[in-house]
Amino acid sequence: QPALTQPPSASGTPGQTVTISCSGSTSNIGDNNVNWYQVVPGAAPKLLIYTNNHRPSGVPGRFSASRSGTSASLAISGLQSEDEADYYCAAWDDVVNGLVFGGGTRLTVL
Amino acid sequence: EVQLLQSGGDLVQPGGSLRLSCVASGFDFQNFPVTWVRQAPGKGLEWVTSISAKGNGYYADSVKGRFTISRDNAENTVFLQMNSLRPEDSATYYCAKDYVTVLPVGILDYWGQGTLVTVSS
Repeated sequence: QPALTQPPSASGTPGQTVTISCSGSTSNIGDNNVNWYQVVPGAAPKLLIYTNNHRPSGVPGRFSASRSGTSASLAISGLQSEDEADYYCAAWDDVVNGLVFGGGTRLTVL
Repeated sequence: EVQLLQSGGDLVQPGGSLRLSCVASGFDFQNFPVTWVRQAPGKGLEWVTSISAKGNGYYADSVKGRFTISRDNAENTVFLQMNSLRPEDSATYYCAKDYVTVLPVGILDYWGQGTLVTVSS
């Protein structure tokens, strides 16, 4: 069972805004920064958001994220067909003394 | 350009061993932690192990005592030695570089291409 909880699926139509939640505990999200990864089937994961709300160079501004308490969320605005992928939240866990991931959310663009 | 080139994946019998390699280029390798993450078919991402810049290893409970991570800074290479392999270790294994120096924090900004490990008789 993943340490971080995400909804298994999300969907939206082009142009819409979709939000994906990520729930953890005091030992991970409550005490450490959250990062988000995008995984297109057949490709290596890609860092999408780091340190709660920072976008690496090349990631469109349509992607934003936030963290509050033991939860975090990723928002994708102006949804595009190319956004169809699996999204994972992750954070360092002080009890595990390692990285924990959410179970992943499959985003479908209708 | 930062690159991580992986090798070593194979089909192995339960109880067997395998060593994965991850050769890095394009950055000051000796100063950055490296992490291995795996993804079983149809499953999510799972952290396996990380190594700090100084060579300290961190392990998931599922692999502790069976897997060993190491690094050779002279060769810009990280190794994952996997012993006592089980069918549930079957997955695509990715190595990834951490964004920050010295200690791993899980900001994995560059990833290898992945290598498939299949444990089956």
